[in-house]
Amino acid sequence: DQQVKQNSPSLSVQEGRISILNCDYTNSMFDYFLWYKKYPAEGPTFLISISSIKDKNEDGRFTVFLNKSAKHLSLHIVPSQPGDSAVYFCAASADNDMRFGAGTRLTVKP
Amino acid sequence: EAQVTQNPRYLITVTGKKLTVTCSQNMNHEYMSWYRQDPGLGLRQIYYSMNVEVTDKGDVPEGYKVSRKEKRNFPLILESPSPNQTSLYFCASSNAPGFNQPQHFGDGTRLSIL
Repeated sequence: DQQVKQNSPSLSVQEGRISILNCDYTNSMFDYFLWYKKYPAEGPTFLISISSIKDKNEDGRFTVFLNKSAKHLSLHIVPSQPGDSAVYFCAASADNDMRFGAGTRLTVKP
Repeated sequence: EAQVTQNPRYLITVTGKKLTVTCSQNMNHEYMSWYRQDPGLGLRQIYYSMNVEVTDKGDVPEGYKVSRKEKRNFPLILESPSPNQTSLYFCASSNAPGFNQPQHFGDGTRLSIL
């Protein structure tokens, strides 16, 4: 039973445009959400996070939005750059439970 | 440099031959965990440890063992590997005993069990 779902396995955008990666969750007990970025042959690296008491968190080109009523979060990358091409994992946590989505492969074309 | 180091990076072995994947972190983190990544399933937690001598099962602990005798090391042990344990494994650590802190991941260990 996947409690965190990333329904788009892949996404392709043009350099300079916005990338929007989506994530849905089913467990209303999740209270902290994170995005990780993964390049080939490397481990995931932390990108940005948001607590359930907020609906938006911004860090440079990266913004995460949380809609608790819809159990949905999204990661916006503006403007997208070729170096952003990677697999992005959404993660959600509650106490000692951490769940990851299956990942979305983002390709940013020059 | 702050890092999580896993060894080996790649291993091909046969069913039933015990193996250990080592994990070491140099950040004095209390919390460490192991994940496996499979296509379409994302990262699933195998075991985690809140501190020395404290370990607990994650989502998919069957067929695995861990130990935490020292703060920096958290080895993953497959006593009798089977083909369904063929996967990409990641070790991670964080500076808080919980998940509301970003985890630092190793670069992964790709295991193939024939």
